Amino acid sequence: EVWLVESGGGLVQPGRSLTLSCAASGFTFDDYAMHWVRQVPGKGLEWVSGIGWNSGSMGYADSVQGRFIISRDNAKNSLYLDMHSLRAEDTAVYYCAKGIVGYFDLWGQGTRVTVSS
Amino acid sequence: DIQMTQSPSTLSASVGDRVTVTCRASQSISTWLAWYQQKPGKAPRLLIYKASSLESGVPSRFSGSGSGTEFTLTISSLQPDDFATYYCQQYNSYAYTFGQGTKLEIK
Repeated sequence: EVWLVESGGGLVQPGRSLTLSCAASGFTFDDYAMHWVRQVPGKGLEWVSGIGWNSGSMGYADSVQGRFIISRDNAKNSLYLDMHSLRAEDTAVYYCAKGIVGYFDLWGQGTRVTVSS
Repeated sequence: DIQMTQSPSTLSASVGDRVTVTCRASQSISTWLAWYQQKPGKAPRLLIYKASSLESGVPSRFSGSGSGTEFTLTISSLQPDDFATYYCQQYNSYAYTFGQGTKLEIK
């Protein structure tokens, strides 16, 4: 069975850091780019960051550039998102997604991040 | 960044109707466009990629068309399971961007 499962979300104070993880199963993880997409509850989707199959390329949305770091460990079939200097506007459900070319054919169930004092 | 604009934002329709959602890009993206369906509390589901290619397992009543800056998603005969929110997404270049969504409601 093919799946992605995110973890690491929670309540965090503004200015603090949090790391999200995504575990993958059922496909050859290191054949694919991986991405993070977020969604403020009740609002639309926002692509956050992506990483190539061998970590050779990475991209970030302007809104998180310089604060978030994407990484992956192909030996552990895992994707990560290190989030620093968190702001209230980073509050969202964060989805891990498997990328093909640039679209997303497999999504996790999401992990909720709330930035609040 | 490339801006994606969907219309309408909300669409009221009945079972059996044919509906069309439009997505416009702020610059040409060739056919690097995907469509997703999302239901409340669930992750998005890929429907269409490369503007008109149907993802495996997606019913054939869904179709996509367009190139350059204008794209459409058509549902040929609405079924009860189709009432959801639909998003377009461009993947021509980083940063990938989504449209704001079209909520399809039961009339």
